Amino acid sequence: SQQGEEDPQALSIQEGENATMNCSYKTSINNLQWYRQNSGRGLVHLILIRSNEREKHSGRLRVTLDTSKKSSSLLITASRAADTASYFCATDVDSNYQLIWGAGTKLIIKP
Amino acid sequence: DVKVTQSSRYLVKRTGEKVFLECVQDMDHENMFWYRQDPGLGLRLIYFSYDVKMKEKGDIPEGYSVSREKKERFSLILESASTNQTSMYLCASSPLVGPKNTEAFFGQGTRLTVV
Repeated sequence: SQQGEEDPQALSIQEGENATMNCSYKTSINNLQWYRQNSGRGLVHLILIRSNEREKHSGRLRVTLDTSKKSSSLLITASRAADTASYFCATDVDSNYQLIWGAGTKLIIKP
Repeated sequence: DVKVTQSSRYLVKRTGEKVFLECVQDMDHENMFWYRQDPGLGLRLIYFSYDVKMKEKGDIPEGYSVSREKKERFSLILESASTNQTSMYLCASSPLVGPKNTEAFFGQGTRLTVV
């Protein structure tokens, strides 16, 4: 079953600009994670934010979580060509130890 | 570094064949997962295992089975491959279960084509 929905489905920006992706979910969660997938490869974990946290930073990444709106955003600042990838959110649903995945946002950074 | 290794990057099989996809992790993780990934559908869980010889069905187990005889190895079996099983298959492992769930580590993926 799919819970997370990323928005937009695709995003194309110039190198150096900031990129913002959003994730909405339906049920209560323990945590929310963001992953990156380079074309045709496996996924790489970026950041995990717990349900009692509102904001988290890791290098050029900033993640926010609004549990009242059941949404999260991933901000990549000063984008680089190497950031070109698909980005997925995954939620750890309460009472269920599976990760529930969204369909992803495809980010293209133009040089 | 955690390493999750899938036995093949690309695989082409014929309809009706029995197909084995192998996954090995080297970090002594309890949990292992098999997903399939199709455009626009995100990752869908086929099966997962939280211990040796234990397995649980995910969202789309039909047409698949799994085997976990050793902690480090989790195999996905397509009993009789069909064209609708053409997909990217991703194996993952993670060290914890439940509310303290931490990150999952993924293999590089196997792109399976059934002809």
